[in-house]
Amino acid sequence: DAKTTQPNSMESNEEEPVHLPCNHSTISGTDYIHWYRQLPSQGPEYVIHGLTSNVNNRMASLAIAEDRKSSTLILHRATLRDAAVYYCILKDTGRRALTFGSGTRLQVQP
Amino acid sequence: DAGVIQSPRHEVTEMGQEVTLRCKPISGHDYLFWYRQTMMRGLELLIYFNNNVPIDDSGMPEDRFSAKMPNASFSTLKIQPSEPRDSAVYFCASMERGETQYFGPGTRLLVL
Repeated sequence: DAKTTQPNSMESNEEEPVHLPCNHSTISGTDYIHWYRQLPSQGPEYVIHGLTSNVNNRMASLAIAEDRKSSTLILHRATLRDAAVYYCILKDTGRRALTFGSGTRLQVQP
Repeated sequence: DAGVIQSPRHEVTEMGQEVTLRCKPISGHDYLFWYRQTMMRGLELLIYFNNNVPIDDSGMPEDRFSAKMPNASFSTLKIQPSEPRDSAVYFCASMERGETQYFGPGTRLLVL
């Protein structure tokens, strides 16, 4: 599996936007970029995924670089409930399981 | 839907005992995954099933671990005999023929 690189931790203030970066320089053409997050003492939950174009849903936006070697998860207005570990995962279309890295631990300050 | 259901939520056992973890996937989902999370190794796949058939068990640590899926609505992960290094949080996840996995709340296992 292609590898992703994320900062170990980030801090944000409540109600401000958060940009979580992910580098994936060895991404292949069939790799989708997935983001999951894990709230304290819970299982991971899906956030968003994309292939080439930027994606938006009710939780977040995903901005994908034109060369696809990096992406950014955008939380438009962070809340305290968004404090979690965010995982950026590359998944080939033919693969079903997820390979988790160490993720970014996001702290949100009131 | 109640989501993925796992039981028990917490399990404390002594080394050498058999442990059975249970999972009920979301109805209609045809993929079921077992993951394990530890501080040292993070989240890692143990095994996954498609239509009740094991597809990839390369992550199963050793013969002490076994997993079954007798029908579409139930799966078990068994550890026999258990060892202290098996202490971890075990997650079950299910997926329809798509891209999104839905995780259960996990079973926190402590082997003394």
